Order: sequence, then structure tokens, then C-alpha cells
Amino acid sequence: DQQVKQNSPSLSVQEGRISILNCDYTNSMFDYFLWYKKYPAEGPTFLISISSIKDKNEDGRFTVFLNKSAKHLSLHIVPSQPGDSAVYFCAASASNTGKLIFGQGTTLQVKP
Amino acid sequence: GAGVSQSPSNKVTEKGKDVELRCDPISGHTALYWYRQSLGQGLEFLIYFQGNSAPDKSGLPSDRFSAERTGGSVSTLTIQRTQQEDSAVYLCASSFQVPGGGNIQYFGAGTRLSVL
Repeated sequence: DQQVKQNSPSLSVQEGRISILNCDYTNSMFDYFLWYKKYPAEGPTFLISISSIKDKNEDGRFTVFLNKSAKHLSLHIVPSQPGDSAVYFCAASASNTGKLIFGQGTTLQVKP
Repeated sequence: GAGVSQSPSNKVTEKGKDVELRCDPISGHTALYWYRQSLGQGLEFLIYFQGNSAPDKSGLPSDRFSAERTGGSVSTLTIQRTQQEDSAVYLCASSFQVPGGGNIQYFGAGTRLSVL
């Protein structure tokens, strides 16, 4: 069973607009969530994270929102830039384990 | 080194052969993880080492897969009698282990394994 789901395989937005990537999870033991960005032939690069004690974390153009009651998180990128075009993975972990459980990824294309 | 280093970057092997994949974690990181990414899929957890504790092997798909971490640093993932379904990108990550969780894992570029 897929404990972390990214239901949109792809997203296309215009440069300068907002990109919103969504992620749902099922395991209530998850208490730490991360977003990674991946370019082809490279490893995932950490982008931003959020602890379950918060509902929002912001870092520059990137903001992650966590809705624990809905078991849903989202990544907002504003303004979007062509260099943001990549595959974005949502990941979750529980504090009693070290492993990350990843979603399937969403391919973001930002058009100039 | 500055980041997680994996070798080889690409490996082509014949079905039935054994392969070894190597990972050099970031210096000072106490935790090391192996994941794999099959075509069109997300990353799948394989195994996790933390300090001197027994590794969490819960993600290894079969007993053909094993891993060790020598001296608390370098790790080797071994796949015996490779099968075509083992073809994937194998990714290694390392992190400081933060008590209570919240660790950020830093990934290498991966080893692309192709089993013919």
C-alpha cells in the first residue's frame, strides 16, 4: 500500500505564476515531512521540510503547508522559474524510524 | 568529500551475476540509507544503518540483497544472482541522526544498474 501519494504525475505552469504540488499520506505516525527536487541523472536534492508541530514553513520562494487532519501537505513555489522544472518528491518519516517513505513524484514544467 | 559519493555511476551486468555498489557518505554523518528507484516510480527504502545499532533491513526485497557498512563509514550494497527486475537506480543517502527524528537525508547521484 502506498503510504505517501502524489496523485498528479505532472504539472505545467507559466513562468512567474504559482506552482502548487500536492501530497497525501495515510500513516498517522508520520511526524516529519520533506520535499526533494530531482533533475535527470542526479540524486534528489533537499528543498524544504516541516515538522508535524507546525502547519507552515517558508524558505524564500518555497512554502510547505501541512494539514494534519486531512493528512495532506502541499509545496508552493512562487514565483515559478524555468530552473524549477524538475521532478518533485514528497517524503515522510516517523520519529521512531530513520527511513523516508517517498511519493511517486510530480514532474513540474515551468514554461518561459 | 563534500557530498555523498557513489560508484560506479553505471553498471551493466548479465542476469545471474553478482554486483557490488559502493557508497561514501558525507564525513561525520552517522546514518546511511539505501534506496532504489525503478523506472517511473518513487524511491523505495531498502536498508538503513545508524551508528553501531543493528541495521533496519525491512526494505530489502529478497535475500539476494545484502549490505554492510564498514568502520561506520563506507557502505557496500551487494545483489547476488541479479535478475532483470533488479534494474533500477540505486541511491545512497546519509544524515546526522537527530534524536526524535527530523533528519535531512543527503543523496548521492546514484548507480544505474542494468541487468541484461
